[in-house]
Amino acid sequence: NAGVTQTPKFRVLKTGQSMTLLCAQDMNHEYMYWYRQDPGMGLRLIHYSVGEGTTAKGEVPDGYNVSRLKKQNFLLGLESAAPSQTSVYFCASSYLGLAGGPTYEQYFGPGTRLTVT
Amino acid sequence: GQQLNQSPQSMFIQEGEDVSMNCTSSSIFNTWLWYKQDPGEGPVLLIALYKAGELTSNGRLTAQFGITRKDSFLNISASIPSDVGIYFCAGQLHDYKLSFGAGTTVTVRA
Repeated sequence: NAGVTQTPKFRVLKTGQSMTLLCAQDMNHEYMYWYRQDPGMGLRLIHYSVGEGTTAKGEVPDGYNVSRLKKQNFLLGLESAAPSQTSVYFCASSYLGLAGGPTYEQYFGPGTRLTVT
Repeated sequence: GQQLNQSPQSMFIQEGEDVSMNCTSSSIFNTWLWYKQDPGEGPVLLIALYKAGELTSNGRLTAQFGITRKDSFLNISASIPSDVGIYFCAGQLHDYKLSFGAGTTVTVRA
């Protein structure tokens, strides 16, 4: 199993450009998450999904959109990139627990380093 | 999200030393998790704690879920060079979301 993979690994954008980050997991996990990591701030949740076809806002959703058309994929879009979106982006997934909710043990991808100039 | 305070922010280790770090919050949590991140990689789950007072080990790592549910600590015994990295605590209060601390950076003392 590859686990959680992210594409691309690195990207440089100019202000105003758009792009899509792809996250794929082969563990059949129900829940998927997008985080951003900035120096000294830990990980902050952007959007998450509790299943195919559903998405919800996290802590810092502004400027981002997401889609989960297939269970194994979770896409993060930036419609008009801004320098404040320079960050490292991580995707994570977690599986359904016995009680019917997530297990909270999230598995992370290797990250995408995005620079917006 | 809920504010988690990790301390220390950074530490130096010498091979063979025992080291300790902790995480505190003004809010109670139902679950505490500890992750480690190596340079250029995503965080990897080390230990998950589900009950107040729980003490769990994973090899040379030991973590505890504080009785008040507002804190957790992680101990590393007999440090080795590959223990360097950033250690994050994370807490779960309700629904599907985790709150992460800012991390403790562990470096080898020259």
